[in-house]
Amino acid sequence: ETGVTQTPRHLVMGMTNKKSLKCEQHLGHNAMYWYKQSAKKPLELMFVYSLEERVENNSVPSRFSPECPNSSHLFLHLHTLQPEDSALYLCASKSRLAGLSTDTQYFGPGTRLTVL
Amino acid sequence: DQQVKQNSPSLSVQEGRISILNCDYTNSMFDYFLWYKKYPAEGPTFLISISSIKDKNEDGRFTVFLNKSAKHLSLHIVPSQPGDSAVYFCAASVSLSKTSYDKVIFGPGTSLSVIP
Repeated sequence: ETGVTQTPRHLVMGMTNKKSLKCEQHLGHNAMYWYKQSAKKPLELMFVYSLEERVENNSVPSRFSPECPNSSHLFLHLHTLQPEDSALYLCASKSRLAGLSTDTQYFGPGTRLTVL
Repeated sequence: DQQVKQNSPSLSVQEGRISILNCDYTNSMFDYFLWYKKYPAEGPTFLISISSIKDKNEDGRFTVFLNKSAKHLSLHIVPSQPGDSAVYFCAASVSLSKTSYDKVIFGPGTSLSVIP
């Protein structure tokens, strides 16, 4: 048990659907991340929230919309996705000490998304 | 353009032998390196890390070697066990980032199979 949970674990959606991915951590961390992992490609950083403020948007299309209502929860809202958006979406969290970045990220199990 | 490369997509090793996983990076600003391990249907979990001020870090059966001049690091697992079969991700970051979070860049991963 990593302390980071993601729901749903699997999601199949059509291109016209709207869905949301949820991530929850109870580790007391103050930074949360969304990554995308496509087949045979590196994990791609999508968004970073630090202290509930979005601090990184890594050129992600607007059909992906993150939301961080509090330090324990992170959402990824999906709408009008494309088949090439099918991938594993991973959430991670981390405790960020001022001036240091040597703490590791804790990952959730991911949501396997298939866009038809 | 990948900043962190793992040129071997897969590796097979006999149980009891040494597994050597390689990683190369291009950004000389990286000064902190991590290895993550990922089983199917689970998120990546932290395995071992090394700071650029060191050239070796050992934790049980796992040792990471860093060659800064070559921008190369490797993970040695000895002796290899069937339970080590997983995908291994190399990752790099700048530890003294001016931002309030850190940006970790992942490699594409190497799938290790340890044959009993």
